[in-house]
Amino acid sequence: AQKVTQAQTEISVVEKEDVTLDCVYETRDTTYYLFWYKQPPSGELVFLIRRNSFDEQNEISGRYSWNFQKSTSSFNFTITASQVVDSAVYFCALSEARDDYKLSFGAGTTVTVRA
Amino acid sequence: DAGVIQSPRHEVTEMGQEVTLRCKPISGHDYLFWYRQTMMRGLELLIYFNNNVPIDDSGMPEDRFSAKMPNASFSTLKIQPSEPRDSAVYFCASSITIAKNIQYFGAGTRLSVL
Repeated sequence: AQKVTQAQTEISVVEKEDVTLDCVYETRDTTYYLFWYKQPPSGELVFLIRRNSFDEQNEISGRYSWNFQKSTSSFNFTITASQVVDSAVYFCALSEARDDYKLSFGAGTTVTVRA
Repeated sequence: DAGVIQSPRHEVTEMGQEVTLRCKPISGHDYLFWYRQTMMRGLELLIYFNNNVPIDDSGMPEDRFSAKMPNASFSTLKIQPSEPRDSAVYFCASSITIAKNIQYFGAGTRLSVL
């Protein structure tokens, strides 16, 4: 069963627009971690954030912000005032306490920011 | 500090040939992971090591795949014999014990088996 669902396959925006990426997860564990990774056109996977299941505070880092809502099993990611350099594939991932080394990745959302 | 280093970046080979992918983890990291990325299956964990010892290889697709970690700074993933369906991007990642699920990825090796 798919543990992480990223329903948006592709999103295209014009520079300076905000873009929100949805991530819905499924787990029976009470302790788990959620992640976002960025894969730019160069191909490497860049770690962006890790949140644990006990910390529902939203987080902001520059133009990036994350909204974690356990009630809806969602961990959404917003890029404010998008830039061309934000064009990439973004992956949401889940790690459960029972196998905390293992990351289950979503299918990814391709974001294209047009100048 | 250097990140995870993988070589080669691109590999094109013919079916039946042996392929060896290489990885140098971040210094001081004691976990090493090999992943495969395809359009059909996304990112899949193949195998991971802790302190150079293979811990979980349940993701390795077939006996044609093998991985070794002879020391803390080097790992290989070998496919012998290679098949066209092995074409994918192979990533190596590393992490440290206190945050083993924060994995830092290399740039990947894009493998094409003709």
